[in-house]
Amino acid sequence: DAKTTQPPSMDCAEGRAANLPCNHSTISGNEYVYWYRQIHSQGPQYIIHGLKNNETNEMASLIITEDRKSSTLILPHATLRDTAVYYCIVTNSGTYKYIFGTGTRLKVLA
Amino acid sequence: GAVVSQHPSWVICKSGTSVKIECRSLDFQATTMFWYRQFPKQSLMLMATSNEGSKATYEQGVEKDKFLINHASLTLSTLTVTSAHPEDSSFYICSAPRQGVTGELFFGEGSRLTVL
Repeated sequence: DAKTTQPPSMDCAEGRAANLPCNHSTISGNEYVYWYRQIHSQGPQYIIHGLKNNETNEMASLIITEDRKSSTLILPHATLRDTAVYYCIVTNSGTYKYIFGTGTRLKVLA
Repeated sequence: GAVVSQHPSWVICKSGTSVKIECRSLDFQATTMFWYRQFPKQSLMLMATSNEGSKATYEQGVEKDKFLINHASLTLSTLTVTSAHPEDSSFYICSAPRQGVTGELFFGEGSRLTVL
């Protein structure tokens, strides 16, 4: 079973920040949080990952709570092309064995 | 550009025939690759772990005689769906980790199989 829970869907206005939450209350000390997204009929695309510190790259920011039991992916200025299913995955960085949950279907509205 | 490539992107076959899907790592070697299956409007389900030079490891409930996996080289893994039936119609996706990129999996574009 997946170790994460996410809301099934969210809407966001174009140009606004999209904040996607993820609960991973059973995360262990050596497990990372990864975020991927899947645009319709394509393979998943890597977005960002982190262990305990907040992370930022050209695509998004990742905020991890201090107890590491939840995290939030932030797309600072959502565009229509960001419409996709977003998956939060928790795994040990050495195993690469990803178990996907149901993800959040983000719809960016014009 | 894509670092993991699948072929074919889509395939239609008759019930009872076998179909082979290839997964290649384009600019790196992958001793391990993963195969996923995804039904419409559902999440990705891990089917098996493909290991170069040894037998694949299948997840619980996945028939190893039905889904044959061969990882004969460091850049190629193949998934053969044997005696395909309409219920095998699905989106099959492979992935591979690239050494030096901590924990990140690179996914192929996916292969859509339709069994008539």
